Formats: sequence, C-alpha cells, structure tokens
Amino acid sequence: LAKTTQPISMDSYEGQEVNITCSHNNIATNDYITWYQQFPSQGPRFIIQGYKTKVTNEVASLFIPADRKSSTLSLPRVSLSDTAVYYCLVVGYNFNKFYFGSGTKLNVKP
Amino acid sequence: NAGVTQTPKFRVLKTGQSMTLLCAQDMNHEYMYWYRQDPGMGLRLIHYSVGEGTTAKGEVPDGYNVSRLKKQNFLLGLESAAPSQTSVYFCASSYSGGLAKADTQYFGPGTRLTVL
Repeated sequence: LAKTTQPISMDSYEGQEVNITCSHNNIATNDYITWYQQFPSQGPRFIIQGYKTKVTNEVASLFIPADRKSSTLSLPRVSLSDTAVYYCLVVGYNFNKFYFGSGTKLNVKP
Repeated sequence: NAGVTQTPKFRVLKTGQSMTLLCAQDMNHEYMYWYRQDPGMGLRLIHYSVGEGTTAKGEVPDGYNVSRLKKQNFLLGLESAAPSQTSVYFCASSYSGGLAKADTQYFGPGTRLTVL
C-alpha cells in the first residue's frame, strides 16, 4: 500500500503562500501524485495532479523533485475560504494505492 | 449535469437493521467507488467497480456488499448494521480509474449514517 505522510495541521494568515509537503517513499514508476481538498460536510474535490517537476493550474502549484519521494502543494495568497483538509494521494494502476490518509488540516486566519 | 448524487443524505439505524445506500452519476464514468470517513480521519475505500456488473473489495470491505447492475448506479448495502459502521459514506466516480494517466475522482455530497 503506497501510504503517504503529511503534517496533521498547519496555520497560516490570509495573503500568505502555504506549502504542504507530502512524503511517499514507496512511489512506483507509473504512479501519479494527486491532491484533493475537502471542506467540512462535503466530499473531496480534485485540486492538482502531477508526475514530475512542476505543475501549475489556476488554484495551485505542485512541485515534485527528481526522486519523486515527496511532493509539495503550494497555495498562493490563501484566503479564509482555503481553510480545509488537504489530502495527498499516490495513484496508479493498482487500486490498493487509493490511500487518502488523514490529510493536513489547514487553518487560515484573518 | 448533476454529477454524483447520493441517497439518502442522513439515516439512523438500529443495530441489526439493513439498508442500501444509492449512488448515481450522470457523467458516463466507468469506475465507481464507495468510501467511509470517520471523525478526524481520511477516507477509506470500501468497495469499487471498474464497470457495469463488476465489483471488487477495497481496504475495509467487511460488513458491506455492493452491486453495479447499471453503469450509472452503484449500491452499497449493509445487511446487519453495527455501531462500528457509524460513519459518513462517500461515493465517487471516475472516467477510467487510471490507465495511461491517473484519473480524477468526482465525489458525491456524502451520507451520514448513525447506527444505534
């Protein structure tokens, strides 16, 4: 099972950049790294996905080093509405790797 | 386009009762999944389906059964509910499940189940 390790919680202030790092030491060659966001009483929502180097979309960036054993989700200029739980997943051909873990609870303060 | 819908939104059962949770998706997705989420924890995969008529066990399948008789529906059954099954249940679907590229899962709003 390709488990991931993330910090349990993080605090930030509005307008700051937030970086959440995820460790996935046993990632396989064909695996992708995917991040989801979950608000209270809602299902998770896809944020970003990557395989290597850097991926950027309209809401976040994902940095993946060459060894791919970790990844960092970067949220630019967070607002109060970014307060949520963020999950890092390693996803591949094998469904055993759909492991959400406990996620990182991000608390954005005014 | 409603996406992924779940029925019911809330339910209270007594120990030993049975019930079925319904998940429906209108995105023509092949893959569907059932997860449970306990307080303060991440989601755990119960069962999944890679297509109509097929199902497979996930991480925590005991005490649950599933059926995928139609492509758009995925049913989760509890034959004899236990307090340990008190949880929030999420259904999800994806286009392919990850062949050439890992696929995005779309989640429903969840069903909050309490077993007394």
